[in-house]
Amino acid sequence: AQTVTQSQPEMSVQEAETVTLSCTYDTSESDYYLFWYKQPPSRQMILVIRQEAYKQQNATENRFSVNFQKAAKSFSLKISDSQLGDAAMYFCAYRSEMNYGGSQGNLIFGKGTKLSVKP
Amino acid sequence: GAVVSQHPSRVICKSGTSVKIECRSLDFQATTMFWYRQFPKKSLMLMATSNEGSKATYEQGVEKDKFLINHASLTLSTLTVTSAHPEDSSFYICSAEGVAGWDTQYFGPGTRLTVL
Repeated sequence: AQTVTQSQPEMSVQEAETVTLSCTYDTSESDYYLFWYKQPPSRQMILVIRQEAYKQQNATENRFSVNFQKAAKSFSLKISDSQLGDAAMYFCAYRSEMNYGGSQGNLIFGKGTKLSVKP
Repeated sequence: GAVVSQHPSRVICKSGTSVKIECRSLDFQATTMFWYRQFPKKSLMLMATSNEGSKATYEQGVEKDKFLINHASLTLSTLTVTSAHPEDSSFYICSAEGVAGWDTQYFGPGTRLTVL
């Protein structure tokens, strides 16, 4: 079974600085998808960035970028020029490309990292 | 694009009553919808997966008769908590995958259920 590990329960960053959130996963599959979701105090889950495992190029979305190391099964999120609005819980998630019976490519979440941004 | 709504956002009910939560994909057709439960300061726990027009697939340990899921159309899924008890109090979140972006789940804003 696949697992996702976020080893940093809490992180803190100064406004305008850069922070990296770590995520590792375990899988025997070669094709899959990885995601970072943000959950601010409103509790709305917001997609931050996604990465297809077959793509070697790291995904970027404005100030958000990932460092995807497939062999190491590592998928870290870098937030540049941190803003107060970036304060939230960040969840790393894995999705298989294949559908297994009723599982239908469910998301497997890590436990989350709570990011605080200091003004 | 890819907006998912949930209604109601908050509900308080008495023990023994049933509560229905709606999840709608507003600007895309959702082939699959997911229902999660989230405890305070915890990650999301998948309860069930539903496809339009077919029975939901429940995760191990989730009572089918207690958490009724109906995926009536490509834009609507409902979760009914039957005979609710205080231990059912939680934050319930739905998500949806569309035909176009079938590999990405988009989440609703969640429903806070409090059972007295």
